[in-house]
Amino acid sequence: DAGITQSPRYKITETGRQVTLMCHQTWSHSYMFWYRQDLGHGLRLIYYSAAADITDKGEVPDGYVVSRSKTENFPLTLESATRSQTSVYFCASSPRGEDAEAFFGQGTRLTVV
Amino acid sequence: AQSVTQPDIHITVSEGASLELRCNYSYGATPYLFWYVQSPGQGLQLLLKYFSGDTLVQGIKGFEAEFKRSQSSFNLRKPSVHWSDAAEYFCAVGPGNTPLVFGKGTRLSVIA
Repeated sequence: DAGITQSPRYKITETGRQVTLMCHQTWSHSYMFWYRQDLGHGLRLIYYSAAADITDKGEVPDGYVVSRSKTENFPLTLESATRSQTSVYFCASSPRGEDAEAFFGQGTRLTVV
Repeated sequence: AQSVTQPDIHITVSEGASLELRCNYSYGATPYLFWYVQSPGQGLQLLLKYFSGDTLVQGIKGFEAEFKRSQSSFNLRKPSVHWSDAAEYFCAVGPGNTPLVFGKGTRLSVIA
């Protein structure tokens, strides 16, 4: 199916474990983004990528790692999960163009216990 | 630095009443402005966007927004709210080829 998909939709993990959230888009969009959504904070940018093998930090990158070896995939890894990383994570993609909109995945609800 | 302020955290309106959600932005150049809606448990869906031209833009689901440069505002409106409009609404500023900056959102509740 065309679109942007995130997996898993729900994840519970323990403090200190490594966890990877997957994001896959079928449009060949150049840009991909990871946001986290927390009550009272709205959406905050974690990392983004302008193309394969090009990534850059956003507002809240600490504790996260990203890679983009293929245009369609943009996984987000929590190297050692902490309770403060309990959140809803959204992946988005966007084509080039200043008026381009971002298309969002359904989100991954991550709970760190 | 660019920023977006949505002054209202939560708004409750009666079904059939009109709606206006406020958005103020700070941006150094010509802004690219977006309104997204998030239904419970879902991702964000674009309602409308503005980047040039007519300052009144029409979107999906009967929504419209007006860009006012002098007030740095991009308020979202709907003449008659339906119960299915209950959701979280986010204003964002671009441009689209850089990461959007989002406001903290306004939660809309609709009562009978």
